[in-house]
Amino acid sequence: SQTIHQWPATLVQPVGSPLSLECTVEGTSNPNLYWYRQAAGRGLQLLFYSVGIGQISSEVPQNLSASRPQDRQFILSSKKLLLSDSGFYLCAGTFTEAFFGQGTRLTVV
Amino acid sequence: TQLLEQSPQFLSIQEGENLTVYCNSSSVFSSLQWYRQEPGEGPVLLVTVVTGGEVKKLKRLTFQFGDARKDSSLHITAAQPGDTGLYLCAGGNGGNTPLVFGKGTRLSVIA
Repeated sequence: SQTIHQWPATLVQPVGSPLSLECTVEGTSNPNLYWYRQAAGRGLQLLFYSVGIGQISSEVPQNLSASRPQDRQFILSSKKLLLSDSGFYLCAGTFTEAFFGQGTRLTVV
Repeated sequence: TQLLEQSPQFLSIQEGENLTVYCNSSSVFSSLQWYRQEPGEGPVLLVTVVTGGEVKKLKRLTFQFGDARKDSSLHITAAQPGDTGLYLCAGGNGGNTPLVFGKGTRLSVIA
């Protein structure tokens, strides 16, 4: 079965610091991978998706970027965090359905 | 742009009551999925429906895909506190197209 691993679970970072969130996939190859941000208790905002190594599509212009250096690795980054980057970030892979990681609660202070 | 509207946004009911939540769109989807999410965790897939008019049951949960594949409903019988959570629907069109998610229905079942 497919599993999405995402870490860390929580992160507190100062404004202006860099960010790197990592997501890895087990149990399948060549998945489509996604980064979402979720406002408190509400729906998912698609940030980036990738259909293969080095292929990144951005849905929303922002202070973040994504990279896919390996088939089963998807990274969300920022060079300088803003307060507005705080939120709950979810990595997901779609095979026939979407499987999600456990999420990262990012607080920018 | 395809959109999925979920209703109601919030629902608070007593244990033992029945409820239905809805997921509607003006667009046709090749599949529709329902997820449940608990605070601080990622959404977990409950069911996928792919055929117009399809009905699937998962214990006390009944999922239906509309005949035209534009809408879906989730019915919970005799709700329990363990059903509390955020219910998300998502529509898919296959291939590399990202799933379209609704904004969710937050359900609270009070003992």
